[in-house]
Amino acid sequence: EVHLVESGGGLVQPGGSLRLSCAASGFTFSNFWMSWVRQAPGKGLEWVVNINHDGSETYSVASVKGRFTISRDNAKNSLYLQMSALRAEDTAVYYCARGANGLRYFDWGQGTLVAVSS
Amino acid sequence: QSALTQPRSVSESPGQSVTISCSGTSSNVGYYNYVSWYQQYPGKAPKVMIYDVSKRPSGVPDRFSGSKSGNTASLSISGLQAEDEADYYCCSYAGNYTWVFGGGTKLTVL
Repeated sequence: EVHLVESGGGLVQPGGSLRLSCAASGFTFSNFWMSWVRQAPGKGLEWVVNINHDGSETYSVASVKGRFTISRDNAKNSLYLQMSALRAEDTAVYYCARGANGLRYFDWGQGTLVAVSS
Repeated sequence: QSALTQPRSVSESPGQSVTISCSGTSSNVGYYNYVSWYQQYPGKAPKVMIYDVSKRPSGVPDRFSGSKSGNTASLSISGLQAEDEADYYCCSYAGNYTWVFGGGTKLTVL
């Protein structure tokens, strides 16, 4: 069974930085693309960024380019999201997700809340 | 990229059928057969219900079905049950390894 556990969320001031982690188990982590998807309070889902199997390719939505960096450590079955220059509009639950490139759908973690506020 | 367009809410009675639409463009829904649908209960993570437009993962009841015509995908649920009351999101591949979601539809089972 796919198991994804996010950590690292919290309250951060505008302009600050935060690093999210995701521990993966139940599947061969190095075989899959991984993504971060976020959901602002009371709003819909938004795909944010993804990374290929070996970490050599990443793609992101325009609003986070230059501010968010996704990375992975296949030896540790872990996914990361380094977020900098955070804005109030980045406030959301951030989900670690397996897929969707290759898999064609997303499998989800339980999410971690990031709140950007002074 | 703009979000896919879904109705904000739909409602129907138990035992009846309902269809939720998801409107995109010729650059996403209309071009790729990589549309998926997710069910989300309040405070919980989403769960995939349909992928590749019409395929059901194991464990998803066959009351759930998906289809696509042109730039619009649809999720249909037959024999509605109280437990189907949730938010539903569509998602489509948008090219260049990127993905786009719909704004979500709240399904109320009256």
